[in-house]
Amino acid sequence: NAGVTQTPKFQVLKTGQSMTLQCAQDMNHNSMYWYRQDPGMGLRLIYYSASEGTTDKGEVPNGYNVSRLNKREFSLRLESAAPSQTSVYFCASSEAWAGTYEQYFGPGTRLTVT
Amino acid sequence: DQQVKQNSPSLSVQEGRISILNCDYTNSMFDYFLWYKKYPAEGPTFLISISSIKDKNEDGRFTVFLNKSAKHLSLHIVPSQPGDSAVYFCAASEWTSGTYKYIFGTGTRLKVLA
Repeated sequence: NAGVTQTPKFQVLKTGQSMTLQCAQDMNHNSMYWYRQDPGMGLRLIYYSASEGTTDKGEVPNGYNVSRLNKREFSLRLESAAPSQTSVYFCASSEAWAGTYEQYFGPGTRLTVT
Repeated sequence: DQQVKQNSPSLSVQEGRISILNCDYTNSMFDYFLWYKKYPAEGPTFLISISSIKDKNEDGRFTVFLNKSAKHLSLHIVPSQPGDSAVYFCAASEWTSGTYKYIFGTGTRLKVLA
C-alpha cells in the first residue's frame, strides 16, 4: 500500500517548456488535489477533482491544466513553464464520504524553471 | 484575501513545556478544521481535526480548541518533544462541487529545544 505517489521527484525546465506531473493513489479515494507550496505562502490549491471525470479550479489555476485519467490518477500539466511556477508541488487524496476529512499527501515534486 | 491565517511564522519552546500554535479564519461556512505536520522534503501528514460544531478535540499529547465566535483555533502540544520540531499547517474545509475543498494557512515553524 504505497498511498500517494508522485513522479518525478525533481525537475528543471527552461522557460516555455512543457511537462506533466503525475500523481497516483491506491486508497480508492474519490477526491484528489494539486497544491503548490512556496516560501511564506503555505499550500495553495491549484485544482481539485471530486471524482473521475470532474475537475474544478482552486485558488491559483492560471498556467496549469489537469486531467483525472481514472479514479487512481490525477495529472497536472504546465503547457508553457514560467519562472513564477518554480515551486514544490504536492498531490493529495481524500474520501469525503468516509466520515473522515483528512487528506493524504504525496512526497512532492520540486520544480525549478529557469 | 487569505481566509486562513497563521500569524506566527515561528515558535521556539523548551522540551517538556507546552506549545501553542494559533490559527484564525474568516469564512463562517467552514465545516472542519485540521492540523497537519510537515517535515522537510516530505508531504504534510494529518495530525488532528475538529468539527465546527465542537469546541475541543484531544488525541494524546495534542489538543485542538475552536472558538467559533472569535473564528480562532489553536493547537496545544503537551509536553513538547524535540521530534515535534516541524512546520505546522492549519487547514479549513468547505463542501463544494461534490467534495471538500481545503484552504491552508501559511504555516508555523515549531522548534522544540532539548
